[in-house]
Amino acid sequence: AQSVTQLGSHVSVSEGALVLLRCNYSSSVPPYLFWYVQYPNQGLQLLLKYTTGATLVKGINGFEAEFKKSETSFHLTKPSAHMSDAAEYFCAVYGQNFVFGPGTRLSVLP
Amino acid sequence: ETGVTQSPTHLIKTRGQQVTLRCSSQSGHNTVSWYQQALGQGPQFIFQYYREEENGRGNFPPRFSGLQFPNYSSELNVNALELDDSALYLCASSPGLAGGLTYEQYFGPGTRLTVT
Repeated sequence: AQSVTQLGSHVSVSEGALVLLRCNYSSSVPPYLFWYVQYPNQGLQLLLKYTTGATLVKGINGFEAEFKKSETSFHLTKPSAHMSDAAEYFCAVYGQNFVFGPGTRLSVLP
Repeated sequence: ETGVTQSPTHLIKTRGQQVTLRCSSQSGHNTVSWYQQALGQGPQFIFQYYREEENGRGNFPPRFSGLQFPNYSSELNVNALELDDSALYLCASSPGLAGGLTYEQYFGPGTRLTVT
């Protein structure tokens, strides 16, 4: 069975600061890992994914994440936050179906 | 290329009633998954339809049922509504099982269901 935990239900950063959103997973099989973003009153949009190959994956809007098997982690980062990054972020793992974490709300302060 | 659309956008029902939610998949996609997203939580997998057959189900009771049509659009039906069914219901389409091995799925904007 797969599961996902996201440390911090709410993260606040200043505009221009580093964004770090944490995700840890549990999976009995090699994991396929994903980050999605959800803006208010919208569906989820895929930011990036790890399936095989390079463990550092780059996504849209300047985000990237690194798969660390030894730490069972897939943290999401962005070097410089922008006001438009304010949204809800979900980490997910795919086994037989998608299992999502509880989400982290990112606030960006001017 | 048309994205995933869902109808209605909002719905208010009374406990015990039945509801049908609709989803039109993205062009070329034959797989549709449904998710329930309660307030402040992540989406939870309800079930998936592939070429008109149910292919996988999450931990939801039988009163949650679905259909997929030959054009790959889909319906989610919920009978005997309970207060806890109040949530955002999301539909996602993909080009085959496991996203056609890309593991990608494309979400609609959701239907907000309120049960009173």
